Amino acid sequence: SAVISQKPSRDICQRGTSLTIQCQVDSQVTMMFWYRQQPGQSLTLIATANQGSEATYESGFVIDKFPISRPNLTFSTLTVSNMSPEDSSIYLCSVVGPYGYTFGSGTRLTVV
Amino acid sequence: RKEVEQDPGPFNVPEGATVAFNCTYSNSASQSFFWYRQDCRKEPKLLMSVYSSGNEDGRFTAQLNRASQYISLLIRDSKLSDSATYLCVVPNSGNTPLVFGKGTRLSVIA
Repeated sequence: SAVISQKPSRDICQRGTSLTIQCQVDSQVTMMFWYRQQPGQSLTLIATANQGSEATYESGFVIDKFPISRPNLTFSTLTVSNMSPEDSSIYLCSVVGPYGYTFGSGTRLTVV
Repeated sequence: RKEVEQDPGPFNVPEGATVAFNCTYSNSASQSFFWYRQDCRKEPKLLMSVYSSGNEDGRFTAQLNRASQYISLLIRDSKLSDSATYLCVVPNSGNTPLVFGKGTRLSVIA
C-alpha cells in the first residue's frame, strides 16, 4: 500500500493563527482525502483534494476555513485558518489505491 | 438510520475470550466494507476487507449480511494486544470517501 508522510505530527497554536499540514505520498494517487477526528469521536471527512481543481468540501466545512492545495498527484496541504479552541483535533490525510485506503499518521492540533 | 452505526462500547473481556461487534449501514448499494483498527493516538489501520459474504484471517472473522445490512467482526482467543478501537467503515460507492462508524472500544484484560 502507499506510504504517506504527514507533517507536523503535532502542534500547539495560538487562537487566530493558521496551521498548514502537509501530506506526501510515495506514489501517484488520484484521490486524496482530509479527515478530522475530534476527541473521542470517529473520523469526519472534511474534503476531497482534487489535482488541478478546487477541493470538494463536505457539509459544514468551507474553503475559507480549510483551504486545500493539491499541486500534483503525490502532495497535498490542508490549512486550518483563524484557529479557535474548537479546532483542536487530529487531522488525517488518506489516499485510496489498489490495496484500499491508507492514512497518514495524523496531526494532533491543540489551539490555546 | 444513521449511515454507519456500531455497537456501543466499551467491551471489557478477559484474555482468551471470544468477542463480536456488529455494525449496521444504511446504503444498500454499498459493495465493500472494511474493519479498521485504531490504537490510542494512532491513525486507523486496515484490519479486514469484506467484499462478499465474509472473510477470515486467523483469529478474526468478518461476516456480511446484505439482506439485513449489517457486518460483524468476531475475534477469537482475544489477546491483550487486541485492545483498540474497531471502526466499521463503508464507502459510499467505488472510490468515493469512506463513512466511518463511531467505533467500538475493546479492552482485553489479563
